Amino acid sequence: DGGITQSPKYLFRKEGQNVTLSCEQNLNHDAMYWYRQDPGQGLRLIYYSQIVNDFQKGDIAEGYSVSREKKESFPLTVTSAQKNPTAFYLCASSISPLNNEQFFGPGTRLTVL
Amino acid sequence: QKEVEQNSGPLSVPEGAIASLNCTYSDRGSQSFFWYRQYSGKSPELIMFIYSNGDKEDGRFTAQLNKASQYVSLLIRDSQPSDSATYLCALAIRNYGGSQGNLIFGKGTKLSVKP
Repeated sequence: DGGITQSPKYLFRKEGQNVTLSCEQNLNHDAMYWYRQDPGQGLRLIYYSQIVNDFQKGDIAEGYSVSREKKESFPLTVTSAQKNPTAFYLCASSISPLNNEQFFGPGTRLTVL
Repeated sequence: QKEVEQNSGPLSVPEGAIASLNCTYSDRGSQSFFWYRQYSGKSPELIMFIYSNGDKEDGRFTAQLNKASQYVSLLIRDSQPSDSATYLCALAIRNYGGSQGNLIFGKGTKLSVKP
């Protein structure tokens, strides 16, 4: 089945730790995105990537890092510099950077203990 | 600042009624608009997109776009309890000097369909 997978579904982090969220897609999509959703809030863009080995900061990139070494994979690292990391993290992809139809993975819920 | 505004709700409608969800936006340059459905605790699911002024129908869903008035709406006919969810409106923007079409999301409207 084609789709976007994210792991883990739930993640608990101690303060001061870096954690990495996985996002994989087998849709052959060029563009991938990371969003953060807080309760009662809309989605906010963290990072996006138009093509392999390229990525750009979104609106709230501070405290996060990404890589795009393979077309299928776009992992997000939440660093200790991110002051309020507890949130629902959503990965999305679209067939090309010019196509705005974005499809979402199931999400990872990160909680800082 | 480009913004997307939605009434947070909850919007409550009886089963079988028409649910009307509205969204206003501030960016006159936006060309495409998207509606996503998000069940509690789940990720957003793309329902419809619309690029041109007027109506676009897909099954029980109709998207309406009025660029002059800067609003887009989603009508759900014959509403079912399974339609109870939060509906997110999104518009596509272009980054300064770039070609990337990023989405700006509203905060969503919570719909409750009562049996």
